[in-house]
Amino acid sequence: TQLLEQSPQFLSIQEGENLTVYCNSSSVFSSLQWYRQEPGEGPVLLVTVVTGGEVKKLKRLTFQFGDARKDSSLHITAAQPGDTGLYLCAAGGADGLTFGKGTHLIIQP
Amino acid sequence: DAGITQSPRHKVTETGTPVTLRCHQTENHRYMYWYRQDPGHGLRLIHYSYGVKDTDKGEVSDGYSVSRSKTEDFLLTLESATSSQTSVYFCAISESAGPSGNTIYFGEGSWLTVV
Repeated sequence: TQLLEQSPQFLSIQEGENLTVYCNSSSVFSSLQWYRQEPGEGPVLLVTVVTGGEVKKLKRLTFQFGDARKDSSLHITAAQPGDTGLYLCAAGGADGLTFGKGTHLIIQP
Repeated sequence: DAGITQSPRHKVTETGTPVTLRCHQTENHRYMYWYRQDPGHGLRLIHYSYGVKDTDKGEVSDGYSVSRSKTEDFLLTLESATSSQTSVYFCAISESAGPSGNTIYFGEGSWLTVV
């Protein structure tokens, strides 16, 4: 089982600030996914990264996959209250994804 | 939104009673999963299915059984509920797992409290 360490565990910042959250492992991933979960709902896929060094952008969110495919980061530019939620990284195959414990993000107006 | 329906959405039950959670999908996806989510532990896989009548254990399968008699339905049963099984249970589905990874779609969750 791949162990995924996410940091920070909790982050509370003001609207308009930038932030980065991290997902790290000692294992090499064939691919890695980021999910966002809002209270009372199931996680929703944001992005899948596959290639080492890959960078993907989703509006104000930038996802990067490490060159060695052992780590990933999520950068949010000009955070908004709507970005509040639990951000999860995950990796795995058909036998199910392994998830990190997540970063709880609160964006204060 | 992926067509995944979980039932019941909320349940309170007593220790020692059997409980069955149902997951129904309308996407005809091959893979179905049951996860539980707990503070401090995150999402953990209980059981999964890779086809009708084909199931396998996940990370935290003790105390749980599953059945899949039809493509669209995946049942999770707690034979004798314990307080440690108080949790939020998520069903998830996936069409396939290829080079781009396994894209999983989650249901809205079932809140189970064992008293």
